[in-house]
Amino acid sequence: DTEVTQTPKHLVMGMTNKKSLKCEQHMGHRAMYWYKQKAKKPPELMFVYSYEKLSINESVPSRFSPECPNSSLLNLHLHALQPEDSALYLCASSREAPGQGGGYGYTFGSGTRLTVV
Amino acid sequence: DAKTTQPNSMESNEEEPVHLPCNHSTISGTDYIHWYRQLPSQGPEYVIHGLTSNVNNRMASLAIAEDRKSSTLILHRATLRDAAVYYCILRDVGYGGSQGNLIFGKGTKLSVKP
Repeated sequence: DTEVTQTPKHLVMGMTNKKSLKCEQHMGHRAMYWYKQKAKKPPELMFVYSYEKLSINESVPSRFSPECPNSSLLNLHLHALQPEDSALYLCASSREAPGQGGGYGYTFGSGTRLTVV
Repeated sequence: DAKTTQPNSMESNEEEPVHLPCNHSTISGTDYIHWYRQLPSQGPEYVIHGLTSNVNNRMASLAIAEDRKSSTLILHRATLRDAAVYYCILRDVGYGGSQGNLIFGKGTKLSVKP
């Protein structure tokens, strides 16, 4: 299995809703990441999990709450989002964590297209 | 993170080679040069990476200048499916610290004409 699987593919939620995005990989990768991508912009790093521990939070608002239940799963819990949070949310994984050397590539999922109404 | 400079857009004809340039004049000794591409409505896809020597794989070739301040991604025969945004990214893989994240710049949008 050489894929990162993200569910759901599309999500529409109201500003008072609570929802979760899920990401799964079975490649034995030690690091997992959440990125946010607005239309016609490059992906922006949100969170980094290294060995199931949150290592980097790139000043993301608290209405986004990541969780890594085990080495294969990564969740992003959403609460009280704003319309400007509408974007493509991408999950990625890599064999080694940042700062661990190696230079391996990242594997990305196809993303969850989120619309906040 | 070190920065890269790429042209905003390029055009190519189908079945012809494409050379996508990237400048990274402030590259450090522990920076790997990574290339990713993103097709419309998909997540980024790893293409190739290298440190000092030229690299080849089934998707592309990476030519790295001797001083490492620039590199070129080479697609040997462009197809319509190669139309995408191509990102050149420096990834610091020195041991220790919190560096080494994959930070995307604006990339080059490649159009392929039939």
